[in-house]
Amino acid sequence: DAGITQSPRHKVTETGTPVTLRCHQTENHRYMYWYRQDPGHGLRLIHYSYGVKDTDKGEVSDGYSVSRSKTEDFLLTLESATSSQTSVYFCAISGGYSGQREQYFGPGTRLTVT
Amino acid sequence: KQEVTQIPAALSVPEGENLVLNCSFTDSAIYNLQWFRQDPGKGLTSLLLIQSSQREQTSGRLNASLDKSSGRSTLYIAASQPGDSATYLCAVESTSGTYKYIFGTGTRLKVLA
Repeated sequence: DAGITQSPRHKVTETGTPVTLRCHQTENHRYMYWYRQDPGHGLRLIHYSYGVKDTDKGEVSDGYSVSRSKTEDFLLTLESATSSQTSVYFCAISGGYSGQREQYFGPGTRLTVT
Repeated sequence: KQEVTQIPAALSVPEGENLVLNCSFTDSAIYNLQWFRQDPGKGLTSLLLIQSSQREQTSGRLNASLDKSSGRSTLYIAASQPGDSATYLCAVESTSGTYKYIFGTGTRLKVLA
């Protein structure tokens, strides 16, 4: 398995509270991604990063922000959590040696917003 | 806008059967296509990646093919086993150089012992 960890693995929070999810990689891959997975929708891209301090929006970015201050860490923040953000969140990486394009995924974070 | 479809959504087969999973995409201008496996409650595991210049890739009992002109990829699993039971997802990188992927919703496979 690629060295990708996510924390926390499970979180329950209340509507309106801020939440930060962390993705940490030990593979020195250039690209990092945050997806959410919901029944009937599959995986949808929230934000991705193509380098330190370089990020871009995905298809479902409203209500989320990200930061990448170093190669190994990519943070996803829900500024004010809503029930619609209850989901399983996955981090992924790609762009390792020779720019290889294969994506590798972390174990996921299950977030419940009550 | 690229759309990726996987039909059927669920499939049950007896152990030992050879089977084919399908992935269709609407825009043939893809850079590559990747197949994943996901076990319940787990993350995605990469199975095979096919670059746009390739026709197929093989890994063990798995063979993935790509036909860009028809917008299709298939994942062939030979001699299926109960351990192959999982959800299989395909993802396409739609525009050259972006490293961004669009995912299908997956096919949930159950191999019966």
